[in-house]
Amino acid sequence: GAGVSQTPSNKVTEKGKYVELRCDPISGHTALYWYRQSLGQGPEFLIYFQGTGAADDSGLPNDRFFAVRPEGSVSTLKIQRTERGDSAVYLCASSPGVLAGGPYEQYFGPGTRLTVT
Amino acid sequence: AQSVTQPDIHITVSEGASLELRCNYSYGATPYLFWYVQSPGQGLQLLLKYFSGDTLVQGIKGFEAEFKRSQSSFNLRKPSVHWSDAAEYFCAVGSNTGFQKLVFGTGTRLLVSP
Repeated sequence: GAGVSQTPSNKVTEKGKYVELRCDPISGHTALYWYRQSLGQGPEFLIYFQGTGAADDSGLPNDRFFAVRPEGSVSTLKIQRTERGDSAVYLCASSPGVLAGGPYEQYFGPGTRLTVT
Repeated sequence: AQSVTQPDIHITVSEGASLELRCNYSYGATPYLFWYVQSPGQGLQLLLKYFSGDTLVQGIKGFEAEFKRSQSSFNLRKPSVHWSDAAEYFCAVGSNTGFQKLVFGTGTRLLVSP
C-alpha cells in the first residue's frame, strides 16, 4: 500500500516568508509525527498528533512554528517569518495509534528539504 | 529524559566483513528501541525494533541487534556487509507507553570499501 507522502519534496524560500509543508499519512493511521533533521544530525521531534489534536507539541522551537491536522488525516506544518536557521529536512511519520493497540513503529515519509535564503 | 548516544560518527568496513554499530540509551524504564537506516536523499527505513521478549531481534537485510539492559545498549550487527549497506544508521528510543516521540542518536555513517 501507499506509504507516507510529503509535499513538496524541496522548498526554497526567502528569509521572512511563510511556508507550508504537507504530510499525507498512511491510510488509517491515527498517530502522526513531525521531526526536523538538520545537516549531520539525527531527526529531532517537533509535534505529535493523535487524531485531530496535538498530543505533544513540546518540540516546536518557538511560536513561528505551528501544525494542524483538522480532519485527522493530512497534516500541515506552518512556519512563519522563516529564518536561515530553519533550513533542514522536515520529516513526517505515522503509526496506527493508541486505539489500534500496539506498540507500533513509526513509518517515515521521504521528507521536505527546506532551504531559507 | 530519554537520550541516545552513537559514539561512532563514521565507520569503514570492508565488503564481506562483519559490522557492529554501537548504541547506548538513557531511559528510566524498559524502553522501546529502534534502528533505522537512511540512504542519501531518502527517508528513514526501519531495520528492526525491540519492544519486549527475546533480547536478540532480527531485522531486514540480515541485520540483528541485541538489547542489553545491564549496559543500556542496543548494538546493531551484521555478519557480512554488502556494498549496498553503505548509508547512515540511526538508533532511536521511545517511551514504553508506545505512542510518544522517538529520540534519535546523531547517527553513524557506514562506508563500505571494496
